[in-house]
Amino acid sequence: KAGVTQTPRYLIKTRGQQVTLSCSPISGHRSVSWYQQTPGQGLQFLFEYFSETQRNKGNFPGRFSGRQFSNSRSEMNVSTLELGDSALYLCASSGTGGDPETQYFGPGTRLLVL
Amino acid sequence: QKEVEQNSGPLSVPEGAIASLNCTYSDRGSQSFFWYRQYSGKSPELIMSIYSNGDKEDGRFTAQLNKASQYVSLLIRDSQPSDSATYLCAAQNYGGSQGNLIFGKGTKLSVKP
Repeated sequence: KAGVTQTPRYLIKTRGQQVTLSCSPISGHRSVSWYQQTPGQGLQFLFEYFSETQRNKGNFPGRFSGRQFSNSRSEMNVSTLELGDSALYLCASSGTGGDPETQYFGPGTRLLVL
Repeated sequence: QKEVEQNSGPLSVPEGAIASLNCTYSDRGSQSFFWYRQYSGKSPELIMSIYSNGDKEDGRFTAQLNKASQYVSLLIRDSQPSDSATYLCAAQNYGGSQGNLIFGKGTKLSVKP
């Protein structure tokens, strides 16, 4: 079974631009969560989507948004990029019925904001 | 503020020794606990999950949970240089709509040959 995939893997943007990241969950998984990882703050939860609905949201500004499609693929968008948004963005999927809340991570998208 | 605390390390052990990694959490409502391993430049990889008090063993890894003390640990027996990585502890309260993982900042483990 294929794992979680994320595209693109690397991205360089400048301040003020916006960016869209994509995540395809493990087949059959319906929940997708997004995390931001930085050296200073560690892994921080952004939001979770389940069946196209945002089910939970972390403590990030409204510039960070996301959505989920009917095939469970998810996108996150960051508008008006700031230097501090440089981070590894990780997507995780879960939901197999047997162990529904275990989250499996994708390879991440490394975003550099200049 | 729900928090998970870990000693940042680095924790250095010789090859073949037992590495002991510890974690405490603040949210008494947390029901599930996870240990992830993260190699430098890579994404977190699940090692073990634990939901009930006591020990859970999987190969060289043993997770221990004590909900009364709000304490989770991971023991790695016969440590190998390939175990050198950052180990992330995570807690989850999935009651209702809460499903996100709260992560500690990780403990960096170094296994010396």
